[in-house]
Amino acid sequence: GAVVSQHPSRVICKSGTSVKIECRSLDFQATTMFWYRQFPKQSLMLMATSNEGSKATYEQGVEKDKFLINHASLTLSTLTVTSAHPEDSSFYICSARGPGQGANTEAFFGQGTRLTVV
Amino acid sequence: GENVEQHPSTLSVQEGDSAVIKCTYSDSASNYFPWYKQELGKGPQLIIDIRSNVGEKKDQRIAVTLNKTAKHFSLHITETQPEDSAVYFCAASIYGQNFVFGPGTRLSVLP
Repeated sequence: GAVVSQHPSRVICKSGTSVKIECRSLDFQATTMFWYRQFPKQSLMLMATSNEGSKATYEQGVEKDKFLINHASLTLSTLTVTSAHPEDSSFYICSARGPGQGANTEAFFGQGTRLTVV
Repeated sequence: GENVEQHPSTLSVQEGDSAVIKCTYSDSASNYFPWYKQELGKGPQLIIDIRSNVGEKKDQRIAVTLNKTAKHFSLHITETQPEDSAVYFCAASIYGQNFVFGPGTRLSVLP
């Protein structure tokens, strides 16, 4: 399957600082990228969907000013957690899918980023 | 909106036995159903998927079946091995948009 690289895999930051997480599609052009949050022993909760060159669409309850998403190119999307607080500590995962519908509907996931805010 | 349920939440099988995980979905417009395997501390990995125009798909020891009328689909793993131990998630989607995930099944394969 296609490769999606997410960086960093782990990050510890101080409360009040900002953290940027990168998601790259290495061998295909990702017109759509998804950002998820996963709490321990729980399923993936979609935070936002970003399409290249346009503003991200956030799920209800997700603060767009706190979780800044940029999808400036077909191979890179970033999630910035601004003014992080301990309750933002979680496992953040991105996924990417290529263009078109029908045949190209697979979404491939990055390795995830474990964020710990102290 | 779409709602995906998944059962069982935990499943233990002896090595070599089969494992079956079942999911149901609510939105009849959903037409793409992937299954993901997630190991501890890692992102989900796509292991098999099925589209609504197909009733069954097989890839070596893994198979997925889909019943559109009943709106349920199942993952079948035969000849289980210890390395199959992980959390498995089903998902439902419309043309690859708005993936909705099930709550997950923790599979333990006992040697």
